[in-house]
Amino acid sequence: AQTVTQSQPEMSVQEAETVTLSCTYDTSENNYYLFWYKQPPSRQMILVIRQEAYKQQNATENRFSVNFQKAAKSFSLKISDSQLGDTAMYFCAFMKRTDYKLSFGAGTTVTVRA
Amino acid sequence: KAGVTQTPRYLIKTRGQQVTLSCSPISGHRSVSWYQQTPGQGLQFLFEYFSETQRNKGNFPGRFSGRQFSNSRSEMNVSTLELGDSALYLCASSRGELGTLRDSEQFFGPGTRLTVL
Repeated sequence: AQTVTQSQPEMSVQEAETVTLSCTYDTSENNYYLFWYKQPPSRQMILVIRQEAYKQQNATENRFSVNFQKAAKSFSLKISDSQLGDTAMYFCAFMKRTDYKLSFGAGTTVTVRA
Repeated sequence: KAGVTQTPRYLIKTRGQQVTLSCSPISGHRSVSWYQQTPGQGLQFLFEYFSETQRNKGNFPGRFSGRQFSNSRSEMNVSTLELGDSALYLCASSRGELGTLRDSEQFFGPGTRLTVL
C-alpha cells in the first residue's frame, strides 16, 4: 500500500508571495504518477499539476511548479505570486500506473492574506 | 465540455436506510472512481469502474457497492446506513484506457454531501 504524507496541516502566506507545500510518499513501485489537487471552500476538487515518475523534468503550470525528487520520494508544490483565490486545501496524491486509484495525503490548508 | 456531475448534491437519511448516489462522467471518459471524504479519515478510495466492470476496490464493507452503465454513468449504493457513513462522496472520471498520464488524470465532480441521522 502507498502512503502519502503531508506534514504541514496549515500554511499562511501574504498575497504576491511564494509558498511551498511538502509531500512525501512511500512506495516500492517504479512507474507511477503524482498529482496535486486543490479543494477550495466550495469543495470542488481541481487538478493543479501532474508529474510522471520517470520524467526528471519538474512539471510547471503557470504559477504552480513542483520539485520532484524521486530518490527521496518527495513531491513539493510551489505556489508563486500567491493570489486570494489560491486559498484552499491542497492534497498531494499518488497513483500507480494503470491502477486508476488515487491515494491522498491528509491535506494542507493554505490561507492567502491580503 | 461539461464536467462531472453528481446527484443529488445533498442528502439526509436515517440509520438503517439505504441510499443511491449518481455520477455522470465527462463525455468520452469511461472510468469512474468513487471516494469518501471525512474530517477524520480524509479521502479514501471506494472503487473504480471501467466499461461496466469493477477494476479496483478499496477497503470498505460490503454495504458499499456500485455499478456502471453502458453510457459510463455510475451509481453507488450504501445499504443499512450508519452514523459513520456521513461524508462527502466524490466521484471522479478519467479516460481510463491506456495507462498514460493523460489517460489517468481524474477530474472530480462537486460531490454529494450525505448526512446520516
